[in-house]
Amino acid sequence: AQSVTQLGSHVSVSEGALVLLRCNYSSSVPPYLFWYVQYPNQGLQLLLKYTSAATLVKGINGFEAEFKKSETSFHLTKPSAHMSDAAEYFCAVSEEGGSYIPTFGRGTSLIVHP
Amino acid sequence: EPEVTQTPSHQVTQMGQEVILRCVPISNHLYFYWYRQILGQKVEFLVSFYNNEISEKSEIFDDQFSVERPDGSNFTLKIRSTKLEDSAMYFCASTSGTVNSPLHFGNGTRLTVT
Repeated sequence: AQSVTQLGSHVSVSEGALVLLRCNYSSSVPPYLFWYVQYPNQGLQLLLKYTSAATLVKGINGFEAEFKKSETSFHLTKPSAHMSDAAEYFCAVSEEGGSYIPTFGRGTSLIVHP
Repeated sequence: EPEVTQTPSHQVTQMGQEVILRCVPISNHLYFYWYRQILGQKVEFLVSFYNNEISEKSEIFDDQFSVERPDGSNFTLKIRSTKLEDSAMYFCASTSGTVNSPLHFGNGTRLTVT
């Protein structure tokens, strides 16, 4: 069965600092991995996805994530945080050969200080 | 870009009342979903719908819940007799149907049961 663990319910950074949001997955088969962002009063939007091509995936708004099979991780990074990055971030996994139902992590709230 | 729309954005109801949450998925999508997010908790899968029937449902989706696609565009979630613990944000999502396709989410309906 697939599952996702997001370490840290809240991450606080200063504007301009590196953003690192952690995601570890569990999957019995090759996974498909996604990061979604949720701004206040909005639905979830796709940031980026990993689908077994390049292990370093670039997404929107300067975010990227690296798939590391040996660490079962898919951490989300951004070199320099902007105030507009403040939002809730969700990691999700679905499985090759599985159902079309991704499993979501608990979410990490990114707080950006001026 | 086409989007998933949900109405209403906020619904307040009394315990024991029936509510219907409405969604219009993206028109050429084939799979439809309802997720919920209780305040401060993870995004939880409720049900998926394909080819005019439920394809999968979680243990949360008990006999109080039902889904319908009454016409070619709407996708509804009905809660027959609401409980206080049904208070949550309910998200509708749709996808084209391949396992590595991301879900497209609506902005959600915030259900408050008093």
